[in-house]
Amino acid sequence: NAGVTQTPKFQVLKTGQSMTLQCAQDMNHEYMSWYRQDPGMGLRLIHYSVGAGITDQGEVPNGYNVSRSTTEDFPLRLLSAAPSQTSVYFCASSYSPEGAGEKLFFGSGTQLSVL
Amino acid sequence: AQTVTQSQPEMSVQEAETVTLSCTYDTSESNYYLFWYKQPPSRQMILVIRQEAYKQQNATENRFSVNFQKAAKSFSLKISDSQLGDTAMYFCAFIPAYTGTASKLTFGTGTRLQVTL
Repeated sequence: NAGVTQTPKFQVLKTGQSMTLQCAQDMNHEYMSWYRQDPGMGLRLIHYSVGAGITDQGEVPNGYNVSRSTTEDFPLRLLSAAPSQTSVYFCASSYSPEGAGEKLFFGSGTQLSVL
Repeated sequence: AQTVTQSQPEMSVQEAETVTLSCTYDTSESNYYLFWYKQPPSRQMILVIRQEAYKQQNATENRFSVNFQKAAKSFSLKISDSQLGDTAMYFCAFIPAYTGTASKLTFGTGTRLQVTL
């Protein structure tokens, strides 16, 4: 199994450009989420989804949009990139049987730089 | 809102020695889960160990064990017989049990552990 696949691994944008970070999982997981990792701040939740068609905001949602049209995919869109969005982005997924105690499966991350 | 605090930004330990990483958290919930995730230089996030608050017994996974002190809201990670492959950033994370999904973890700021020869 591929697990959680994120593309691209690296990206450089200019301020004001838009882009979509792709995330796909092949484990039939209901729950998916996006985190950003910044030095000295750990990982912070951007958006999450509990199933196809259902999304909600996390701690730092401003400047980001998400949608979940299928169980497998959960793309993260930056509508107008800003330097403050320079970060490493992680997509994660989990199964439901143990609910909140489930292990998160993470992608390998996307390093994004906004100039 | 819940908070997770890791007060040790960096630590160093010699190979084969034991090291303890600290984590404290703040919550009004009675049942929740706590996790330690490891992030080696490859950037991949790997679950090390997890603990449910209702379970009195401290979790162990091979060389990794926790000291869970619910009243003190403390959740430290002990790594025994440290190996070079343990060099990584370690994140403590928290989630209330009522959320029903592991997707909404609250992470600490991390402790960078260096294992030396």
